[in-house]
Amino acid sequence: GAVVSQHPSRVICKSGTSVKIECRSLDFQATTMFWYRQFPKKSLMLMATSNEGSKATYEQGVEKDKFLINHASLTLSTLTVTSAHPEDSSFYICSARDAGAPNNEQFFGPGTRLTVL
Amino acid sequence: GQQVMQIPQYQHVQEGEDFTTYCNSSTTLSNIQWYKQRPGGHPVFLIQLVKSGEVKKQKRLTFQFGEAKKNSSLHITATQTTDVGTYFCGGGNKLTFGTGTQLKVEL
Repeated sequence: GAVVSQHPSRVICKSGTSVKIECRSLDFQATTMFWYRQFPKKSLMLMATSNEGSKATYEQGVEKDKFLINHASLTLSTLTVTSAHPEDSSFYICSARDAGAPNNEQFFGPGTRLTVL
Repeated sequence: GQQVMQIPQYQHVQEGEDFTTYCNSSTTLSNIQWYKQRPGGHPVFLIQLVKSGEVKKQKRLTFQFGEAKKNSSLHITATQTTDVGTYFCGGGNKLTFGTGTQLKVEL
């Protein structure tokens, strides 16, 4: 099946720094990628939809200046958490939809655990 | 906005018992997808249902999509320890996830 990678898998940073997370579709082209945030034992909360070549669409309550998304190519989307604070600590997961797949299946990356000290 | 709820939130069963999780949406869904997330892992696609009243089976798993396309269910027959994880439903083009049902299977 299709593979989506995320890098880094785990990051610890100091408060006030910015952290970039990469999401790559390894064997398919993804015109649309999604960024989710998951708190412990909670559901996945959609943060934004990333479209290749255009601006991301953010969900209500998600600060676009705080969470910068860039979908530079058909296989790469990045999420930058700017001026991170401890409350930004969470599990961030991306997913990608294969435009050539017969259904709407989304392929999820392994996630990035962010800890802000 | 669209809300998707799942019940129960947690379920402990003995191995061999059946398990069902229910998914209810506040709005009509164009499709419903089910995902399984193992502890410490990421969600993995199980199935998609599109048609009203659709029923699909995968070995011991049976998925149903309601006639009104606002609810769905996942039923596991004779659970095994490998079924442990959290089951999420999700619907719509942006895949709004349900609250999830965490399944624990005890020997």
